This record gives sequence, structure tokens and C-alpha cells, in this order.
Amino acid sequence: KAGVTQTPRYLIKTRGQQVTLSCSPISGHRSVSWYQQTPGQGLQFLFEYFSETQRNKGNFPGRFSGRQFSNSRSEMNVSTLELGDSALYLCASSSGQAPMSGYTFGSGTRLTVV
Amino acid sequence: DQQVKQNSPSLSVQEGRISILNCDYTNSMFDYFLWYKKYPAEGPTFLISISSIKDKNEDGRFTVFLNKSAKHLSLHIVPSQPGDSAVYFCAAESGGSNYKLTFGKGTLLTVNP
Repeated sequence: KAGVTQTPRYLIKTRGQQVTLSCSPISGHRSVSWYQQTPGQGLQFLFEYFSETQRNKGNFPGRFSGRQFSNSRSEMNVSTLELGDSALYLCASSSGQAPMSGYTFGSGTRLTVV
Repeated sequence: DQQVKQNSPSLSVQEGRISILNCDYTNSMFDYFLWYKKYPAEGPTFLISISSIKDKNEDGRFTVFLNKSAKHLSLHIVPSQPGDSAVYFCAAESGGSNYKLTFGKGTLLTVNP
């Protein structure tokens, strides 16, 4: 069973640009969540989608947005990049039911803003 | 406001001994607690979870204990193996319609041969 696939693995962007990251969940999983990991703040929740609907959103500025497609694949977009957006962006998928079975994370996209 | 806290940034133990990783939380609305392990350049890997209606859950070498009155949980690894060396994250979710994990900042566990 294929895991959660995130592309690209590494990305370097210039301040002010925008970026789109992609996540393909485990087959059959309809929930996709996004997290940002930085050394200072740790892992922080960005948003969660289920069947193309955003069900929850974290405390991030409006420059951070996402969407989910009918095949459950998800993208997140960051516009007007700032140096502080440099981070590891992690996507997680689940069946969308109880949290006890855990969420399966991808290997992440390392974004560097210069 | 950090709702999930892992106060020990690092822990070092000898192979074969017990590793105890601790986690405290402040939000009494949390219903589920999960532990993840993370190696460098990889995403977190789910280890074990516990519901707030239980005080213990066991899976092989891993046991999680929950003390609701103290808002404290711990992960016990017995026996510890060098391959267990990684960063361990405690996470919590409110359940219901939340769909959001709140993570601690992690504890780096080093198991020495």
C-alpha cells in the first residue's frame, strides 16, 4: 500500500514569490491535513480537508491556503513568501474517522525562502 | 500558549533499559493522545494512542499511561533499542469535529549500545 506522497521534496523560493505544494494521500483516505514544522514553533496545524471541504483551520495568515480535489489529492499554496515561511511542510492523511488510528504523514516538503 | 508540553528536550538511555518520555497538557478538552516518532528527513510515524477514558494502552514494547487529573501522559519503551533513537512527539486532539493535532515540541531520545 503506497504511503502519503508529497512533492516536491525540496524547494527554494525568493521572498515575495508564491509556492504550491502537493500531497497525495493513501488510497481510500479522504482526509488530508497540513502541518508546518519549524525549529522554534515545532509542528503547527495549518488546515484539514475532507471530501473537498475544509473542516478546520489553524492560526496562520491568509497567505496560506489549500484545497482538495475530488480524488482526495490536496495542494497548499503560500503567496507573498516571507523568510519566516522557511520550514518543513508535512501532509498527513487519514480515513477521516476516529483519531485513535493515527494520521499517516508524508516525508514533507522542505521549503527554503531566500 | 503551548497546550502540549514536553519539558525534556533530550533523553539518553542505555540499550535494554527503560525509556520514559513525558508530556503535559493544559487543555481539558483533549480526548485523544498520540505518540509519534520522527527520524531526520522523514515524516512523523504513528506509534501508539490512548483515549481519555483509559489510563493505559500497550502495544509490544510501547506503553502509554494517562493521568487525567494531573493532565500528564508518558510513553514507556521497554527494552530500549538503538533503533529507537529518534525525536518523539506527543500530540493531542479534542475529538468531535476537531480534526486537528496539537503537538509538543518533541524529545530527542538517544539509546546507547
